[in-house]
Parts: sequence; structure tokens; C-alpha cells
Amino acid sequence: EVQLVESGGGLVQQGGSLRLSCEASEFISSMYWMSWVRQAPGKGLEWVANTKQDGSQNYYVESVKGRFTISRDDAKNSLYLQMNGLRAEDTAVYFCYSSFGYWGQGTLVTVSS
Amino acid sequence: QTVVTQEPSLTVSPGGTVTLTCTSSTGAVTSAYYANWFHQKPGQAPRSLIYSTTGKHSWTPARFSGSLLGGKAALTLSDVQPEDEADYYCLLYYGGAWVFGGGTKVTVL
Repeated sequence: EVQLVESGGGLVQQGGSLRLSCEASEFISSMYWMSWVRQAPGKGLEWVANTKQDGSQNYYVESVKGRFTISRDDAKNSLYLQMNGLRAEDTAVYFCYSSFGYWGQGTLVTVSS
Repeated sequence: QTVVTQEPSLTVSPGGTVTLTCTSSTGAVTSAYYANWFHQKPGQAPRSLIYSTTGKHSWTPARFSGSLLGGKAALTLSDVQPEDEADYYCLLYYGGAWVFGGGTKVTVL
């Protein structure tokens, strides 16, 4: 089973930036889609963004469009999420998720006002 | 804005059967929505159960099954075990973007 490990979370002030990373234990080049999903404290899951196998197509939930950028580096078996203009409502655990059903353990992002 | 709706909570007895459903505000759910199902236990990451409406991962217990039921995606849990108590989420595909349902809390009692 592929292991996904997220990193890069932390405490940031409103308006600040963070870059999340997700490193896979095996080649991700076969992962047709890779996604970021978040979960605010005590809330349900929210799909945030995904990127296609060749990086040619990226999709975002409306609330992060223009602020977040998803990317992947198959040579490094890694997925990224660049988050700019962070808001208090972006506070959540961010999970990396891939096609074939693999999940990371998540990384906590806290945006302070 | 697309909304995906699930039952907020369901209770089932050990050994019983329960069906969770997933409804789209855009209309009937079909195979083109590639419904996925997950469960999540407190303090843990989600775990994938079903993909593309009916597909099972190698780790998915046989007692879990996915289907389409009356214009909805459905997840049926048969011979429910105490360890099946969890939050269950569906995920639907909308031409590139995905939307999660609000989740169903399944209690085994």
C-alpha cells in the first residue's frame, strides 16, 4: 500500500502563505489524479483541489480559486499546495489523497486573525 | 452551488444491514458521477471503501457494497460489526471538480 506523508502545515497569520507537500512512498506517475482534501475542526471533509497525471488539468473549489495552486513533481513523487492569502476559514487539517484510494495522515494549518 | 446530501445519522444493530445514500442537487446520480465512499473514525484519516460507484479496494471488507438506488448513490453495510461505527462520506465527480457529502454518522448499537 502506498504511503503518503504530508508536511508544511503550521500557524500563519491571516493573509500569509504556506506551502504544503505530500511525499509518496512509491511512484506517483501512475496516480491519474492527486488531490488535496481538508477538514475544518469538528466539520466534514471538503475537496480542495486536484491535478491530473500530466499536470495538464487542475481544478479547485470555488473558495480557494486564485489563492491556492496545486502542483505535482512526479520525479520527486511529490504533490504540493501553495496557499496564499490565507483566511481564518482555511484553518483545517489538509489531507493528500490519490486515485487508487490512498490517504495521508494530514497536516494542520491554523490561520490566526 | 452544488450540494451533495447524506443522512446526518443512522443507527444499526450488530449483524444488521444499513444503507446510506448520497444525493446530488443537480439531479439523479448516475455512473458518470463516479461515486466514492469513505469512512473516518475519530482522530484518524479517512479510509477509502468504494470507487466508481461499485468498485472495491483490496482492503474493503466484503460486507461493504456500493450501488445506484433510485437516482442516488448508495453504500450498503451488511452484517454490521462494532468496528463499522464511524462517519461515512460520499464524494461525487462534477466534470473535474469533486464535492463531498456532509457525512453520515453510523452508530452500532
